[in-house]
Amino acid sequence: GESVGLHLPTLSVQEGDNSIINCAYSNSASDYFIWYKQESGKGPQFIIDIRSNMDKRQGQRVTVLLNKTVKHLSLQIAATQPGDSAVYFCAENRGSGYSTLTFGKGTMLLVSP
Amino acid sequence: EAGVAQSPRYKIIEKRQSVAFWCNPISGHATLYWYQQILGQGPKLLIQFQNNGVVDDSQLPKDRFSAERLKGVDSTLKIQPAKLEDSAVYLCASSLYPDRSNGEQFFGPGTRLTVL
Repeated sequence: GESVGLHLPTLSVQEGDNSIINCAYSNSASDYFIWYKQESGKGPQFIIDIRSNMDKRQGQRVTVLLNKTVKHLSLQIAATQPGDSAVYFCAENRGSGYSTLTFGKGTMLLVSP
Repeated sequence: EAGVAQSPRYKIIEKRQSVAFWCNPISGHATLYWYQQILGQGPKLLIQFQNNGVVDDSQLPKDRFSAERLKGVDSTLKIQPAKLEDSAVYLCASSLYPDRSNGEQFFGPGTRLTVL
């Protein structure tokens, strides 16, 4: 069936490096995507979103890139900090008129000082 | 502003027992969601409410799971009887807007259920 998934289950980086987390989606009709960060023992926290009429969107230290041709989404974190260590999920917004999210499996980001 | 509140935070039960979870969304949020998150996986939507009406319960195992939001504010999710595979974190989320054009959802800390 159609799903949203991630290429790498775990990403280990050094503090100060840039991190890139990737996500593939299979539903070409999806038009809204969200990245969430989930720390241990907490619920997911919204990071950034992007609509399908955009290729790139920037936030504070984060950038999301959308490649609709290959149905690929990525989250770039600049100058990664230990506090960025968490599991990152991409989510696809689908549904007729309501905000129903379908999440991928997640990538764990480990940042070493 | 206060976030989404959930209780209890942890629950351990025997299989075939019943359990209930409670959620209080952010004030003013008409849309409320319950998700199930199995260890190592992303959250899976169980049910979505708009005020006190159900708009999506297609992935809710209705033979054992039930949810209600009688007054359009707080919500409860019940499992009766529980199975071993119900062990998971149950997340509640709420959003201000129900439509896809502004889909930010705010999540609570979740209830971790262990079924023995």
